[in-house]
Amino acid sequence: EIVLTQSPATLSLSPGERATLSCRASQSVSSYLAWYQQKPGQAPRLLIYDASKRATGIPARFSGSGSGTDFTLTISSLEPEDFALYYCQQRSNWPLTFGGGTKVEIK
Amino acid sequence: EVQLLESGGALVQPGGSLRLSCAASGFTFTTYAMTWVRQTPGKGLEWVSTLSGAGGTTYYADSVKGRFTISRDNSENTVYLQMNSLRAEDTAVYYCAKGFPVGTYLGAFDYWGPGTLVTVSS
Repeated sequence: EIVLTQSPATLSLSPGERATLSCRASQSVSSYLAWYQQKPGQAPRLLIYDASKRATGIPARFSGSGSGTDFTLTISSLEPEDFALYYCQQRSNWPLTFGGGTKVEIK
Repeated sequence: EVQLLESGGALVQPGGSLRLSCAASGFTFTTYAMTWVRQTPGKGLEWVSTLSGAGGTTYYADSVKGRFTISRDNSENTVYLQMNSLRAEDTAVYYCAKGFPVGTYLGAFDYWGPGTLVTVSS
């Protein structure tokens, strides 16, 4: 099973600041990594797939990078609606696995 | 507009059974794999099972293999999760999700339902 480790667990930032979230895989997943945003009481929302491709309707301030075992989600300038939980997910091998999440909170 | 809506969540005793349903609309249902993902406060998001678009290929997490069965009715645009021999650790919100991109079983998920709560407790 591929283990995804997200860091930090919590990121405390102010609106307008840049957020950098990390996801590290226990073995290579090539570029088969996705990022999701989840707000309380809601289902996850796909932001990025295949490491760097923005999903439909996702603002340009969200970007993804990386390959192999190290990946980054960057939010260039935090909007109030961006404070939420973020998860990564690999689709390289069965079982599909998710990271433990990073909470982006208002400082 | 793509919509997914789960139903069937309930309180059930350990050892009991439950069938979840997920009604889909707004896309060509037979073209996409469908997946169940569950979420608990303690364990986060956990992939449960995936079923191919035609319904002939299934994948299960080890934690549910032999107890859960995924199926679909392509005439009704509905995917099911039959859950037997339920345990306390199966307690979670269960989401159905549409696979992405098209043509793969090993997918990301571009649409999710709102989820249905399953509680296993005596």
